[in-house]
Amino acid sequence: DSGVTQTPKHLITATGQRVTLRCSPRSGDLSVYWYQQSLDQGLQFLIQYYNGEERAKGNILERFSAQQFPDLHSELNLSSLELGDSALYFCASSAEETQYFGPGTRLLVL
Amino acid sequence: GQQVMQIPQYQHVQEGEDFTTYCNSSTTLSNIQWYKQRPGGHPVFLIQLVKSGEVKKQKRLTFQFGEAKKNSSLHITATQTTDVGTYFCAGSINKFYFGSGTKLNVKP
Repeated sequence: DSGVTQTPKHLITATGQRVTLRCSPRSGDLSVYWYQQSLDQGLQFLIQYYNGEERAKGNILERFSAQQFPDLHSELNLSSLELGDSALYFCASSAEETQYFGPGTRLLVL
Repeated sequence: GQQVMQIPQYQHVQEGEDFTTYCNSSTTLSNIQWYKQRPGGHPVFLIQLVKSGEVKKQKRLTFQFGEAKKNSSLHITATQTTDVGTYFCAGSINKFYFGSGTKLNVKP
């Protein structure tokens, strides 16, 4: 158990819909990262927040957005969903360099 | 384009054989991290290398960081079935760039 929690565990939705994925970092960790992992693929870095501010941006689509709240939990919003957005979405948190990954949210877009 | 390349994509070995995965960056890295992801699981941090030419060992695992800080390798001696999973490197250049991973399968 990494100490990072993600909800929901699984999500099934339809194309065109919007979903919100939630992440609670390890206690005391200020940084939160979001990653997308498609079937049998590597980890695609989406975005990083540090203490509420956006720190780094990866290959995040314009249809996707994220934020980190004052209590340090983070949400990843995915809108106008397409079939290709089906993937495992991981959140990770860190205090320094080491990233601790949550169990992921498996999104299926039908 | 992808900043960190990782090879091979897949490796099938007989239990007891050695295994190596390589990562290569087009630019100098601040540091490199290695993660392991078991089937159905999430990535788990293994180690971080920071210094040029650094070598670190964890039991049967040996991690190396190149002199130019552009490449790294993970070597497993005498693989066991518990080593099965995907091994990712992640290079830091302002932000983290993950390699595509090497999926290791170990036949008993």
